[in-house]
This record gives sequence, structure tokens and C-alpha cells, in this order.
Amino acid sequence: GDSVTQMEGPVTLSEEAFLTINCTYTATGYPSLFWYVQYPGEGLQLLLKATKADDKGSNKGFEATYRKETTSFHLEKGSVQVSDSAVYFCALTNSGGSNYKLTFGKGTLLTVNP
Amino acid sequence: GAVVSQHPSWVICKSGTSVKIECRSLDFQATTMFWYRQFPKQSLMLMATSNEGSKATYEQGVEKDKFLINHASLTLSTLTVTSAHPEDSSFYICSAGGGLADPGDTQYFGPGTRLTVL
Repeated sequence: GDSVTQMEGPVTLSEEAFLTINCTYTATGYPSLFWYVQYPGEGLQLLLKATKADDKGSNKGFEATYRKETTSFHLEKGSVQVSDSAVYFCALTNSGGSNYKLTFGKGTLLTVNP
Repeated sequence: GAVVSQHPSWVICKSGTSVKIECRSLDFQATTMFWYRQFPKQSLMLMATSNEGSKATYEQGVEKDKFLINHASLTLSTLTVTSAHPEDSSFYICSAGGGLADPGDTQYFGPGTRLTVL
């Protein structure tokens, strides 16, 4: 079945540091790939997505490129802020019809210190 | 756009009572809604998928009679935890997708409901 593997945290960085959170996937066909962010005590917010190979999703300074050859979708940000502290989930969906089930990675806790 | 709300945001109840959680898509119509459960410091566990006007599809190991799901309209789904017990205490999150606003495969999540059963 489909699966998502993301780097285990926690990740602790200083403000303005460069961020990479690795994500690789296993799926048949052509999945869509997502990064969601969860702030403490809240639900998930869509951060960015990519629906086909070589697409780059970007939002709020974060970006990730859909790499089919390496089955990866690594999340990057050039300069993190304290407000970026949250749990980040990589996910994929691989359904063609009306049932878009998401397969999640385990999540990576990011803490940014001032 | 693509806002999903949940109500209540938190609830405390006595063991043996039933609790209903509402999930609404506020600015789009969602053909499919999902219910997840999240334990502390863990990822989301899909409980069930519901399509408007049809019965929900439950994931393996999820008790249908305990977690009743109703998807009465394109903007509202409800999860009722029946005869709740302390082990049902958790963070319940819904998501909505597949609607006219985004006919692709993006799911939009609600803010979650914290259930504590005493």
C-alpha cells in the first residue's frame, strides 16, 4: 500500500536558519503530494501541494518540489521564524474518484528559538 | 476560502453519555468528509470517510456502532461518540474535500475537537 516516510524530529533551529524536512513516499500511479502544518492545539492547515512530477508547491516562504525519480517531496525554507514552530506532516493522496484518502507521515516537530 | 469549522472545540462528558461533534464546510460544498482521531504527539488516524447521502465507510478496527457518522448535506457531517468511555478521550479532527471549490484532491481540515471523558 501507499506510505509516507518523513524525518523524525524533533528539529530545533535558531531563527533565520535554513530548514529542510525530508519526505519520501511509496505509491502506485501518480499521487498528489501535500505538506500540512499543525500548530499546538489546532487542526491541520494546508501549507502547500503539488499534483504532478516536477511541480513546485510554495507558500509563506516554504517550498517543496515533487521529485518522481527519487519519490521525494522535501520541505524547505530559507529563513525560519519563531512563528514557524509547529508539527509538519507530509501526506499523499492516490485516489482518482471522489474518495481522496490521505496517507500521512508521522509528523515532524519543529521548534525555532529566538 | 475553503474554511472548515468544528463544534464544539472542546467537550468534557461523563462516562456512558453520548457526544455529538459537528463539522461544517463554510464556504464550499464538500462531497466527501473525513473523520480522524489524533493521540498526543502522534499522526492522524483515519476513522471513516463519508459521502453526502450515503453510509460512511469505516476503517478497519473502528466500531461503526460506537462512532456514528451522518453526512446529511454537502456542508455538514456529524460524528457521535456513543456511550463514551475514558479511552475515547482524544482529539477528533474532520476534513472536507472533493467539492466544487476545489474539485481536485485537497482536503481542508477543521480546527479539531478535544473530547475528555471522565
